[in-house]
Amino acid sequence: DAGVTQTPRHEVAEKGQTIILKCEPVSGHNDLFWYRQTKIQGLELLSYFRSKSLMEDGGAFKDRFKAEMLNSSFSTLKIQPTEPKDSAVYLCASRRSGTPYEQYFGPGTRLTVL
Amino acid sequence: QQQVRQSPQSLTVWEGETAILNCSYENSAFDYFPWYQQFPGEGPALLISILSVSDKKEDGRFTIFFNKREKKLSLHIADSQPGDSATYFCAARGQGGRALIFGTGTTVSVSP
Repeated sequence: DAGVTQTPRHEVAEKGQTIILKCEPVSGHNDLFWYRQTKIQGLELLSYFRSKSLMEDGGAFKDRFKAEMLNSSFSTLKIQPTEPKDSAVYLCASRRSGTPYEQYFGPGTRLTVL
Repeated sequence: QQQVRQSPQSLTVWEGETAILNCSYENSAFDYFPWYQQFPGEGPALLISILSVSDKKEDGRFTIFFNKREKKLSLHIADSQPGDSATYFCAARGQGGRALIFGTGTTVSVSP
């Protein structure tokens, strides 16, 4: 099985732009997660979907961040409008539902906002 | 509010030594504790995990020691190798299959 796929691997945006990051989970996984990773804060949860239903979201990220599960094998994370403080690595992960199945991460998208 | 804390932030050991990474948590409802290893430019990968019903888990050179009463756990890397140089994240999950909550990581450097 292919692992979690994320595109693009790198993104550079001007302040105020809208960017869309993409994720394809491991086939058969019905839980999907978006995390933001920075050196200071570590990994912060943005959204958690189970079978396309939103289960959890990171309260601090609600206003400009919107994740969607377009179908069971594709998710997007939209940031609108971008700000320089959004510069970080955005990680997507997936797992089979139920405990304690392993959560598999993609390679991440490095976002730089100028 | 940081529910999972890790220390030290960084650690340097000589090849062959044992590296000890510490983790503590606040929520007594957490019942599953995985450790992830991350190399630069890659996503984190599961290294080893433990359930709260156990106090020790071994996998080769990697061992988790878990103290439920004190809400602490540690990862021991025995006979450290230069290839173990990476950032290690402690994570925790509450009952009901919720999302993992991660610590801020410990960066380990193993000198030959």
